[in-house]
Amino acid sequence: AQRVTQPEKLLSVFKGAPVELKCNYSYSGSPELFWYVQYSRQRLQLLLRHISRESIKGFTADLNKGETSFHLKKPFAQEEDSAMYYCALSGRKTGGYQKVTFGTGTKLQVIP
Amino acid sequence: ETGVTQSPTHLIKTRGQQVTLRCSSQSGHNTVSWYQQALGQGPQFIFQYYREEENGRGNFPPRFSGLQFPNYSSELNVNALELDDSALYLCASSSSSGGWYEQYFGPGTRLTVT
Repeated sequence: AQRVTQPEKLLSVFKGAPVELKCNYSYSGSPELFWYVQYSRQRLQLLLRHISRESIKGFTADLNKGETSFHLKKPFAQEEDSAMYYCALSGRKTGGYQKVTFGTGTKLQVIP
Repeated sequence: ETGVTQSPTHLIKTRGQQVTLRCSSQSGHNTVSWYQQALGQGPQFIFQYYREEENGRGNFPPRFSGLQFPNYSSELNVNALELDDSALYLCASSSSSGGWYEQYFGPGTRLTVT
């Protein structure tokens, strides 16, 4: 079974402060991990995936297999970062089938 | 390039009724996944369609069914609606080329069951 846990429903930080959105997962194998973001009145969109090892909008996330975590980080929060963030996991594809499991989401609120 | 569209935007149904939700996938995408997002929860995988066949299903009963058409658009059908079916239903399309396929989400259909 695959499971994603985001322990914080709401995270409030001041503009310019560092941000860390927590994500822990459970999966017996090598998963693919993602962060999705949903800005107000917009649709869900992919922010980044662990395989890419890239920084998007200043956000990075490192997969820690020992701690089964994939925390999202940004050194200096901006007001435009305020949004709902979902951590997601995709297990191994069999027959082209890709099941993605989402966490419950964390609302990031950046205070001016 | 056209994005993923869903219809209708909102829908109100009565318990026991049946509902059909529609999704048009992004141009060039041949795979469609459906998700249910209850209030305060993350999206939950319902099923995925590839080349007009269901090729994966989450923990949803058989009264949740779907179709994919030759143009890769898709329908989600829910029979015998229950109050707990009230949720936002999301459709996501992707292309099966390559090792992993990024999912592009539609805006969702808000279903209310009374």
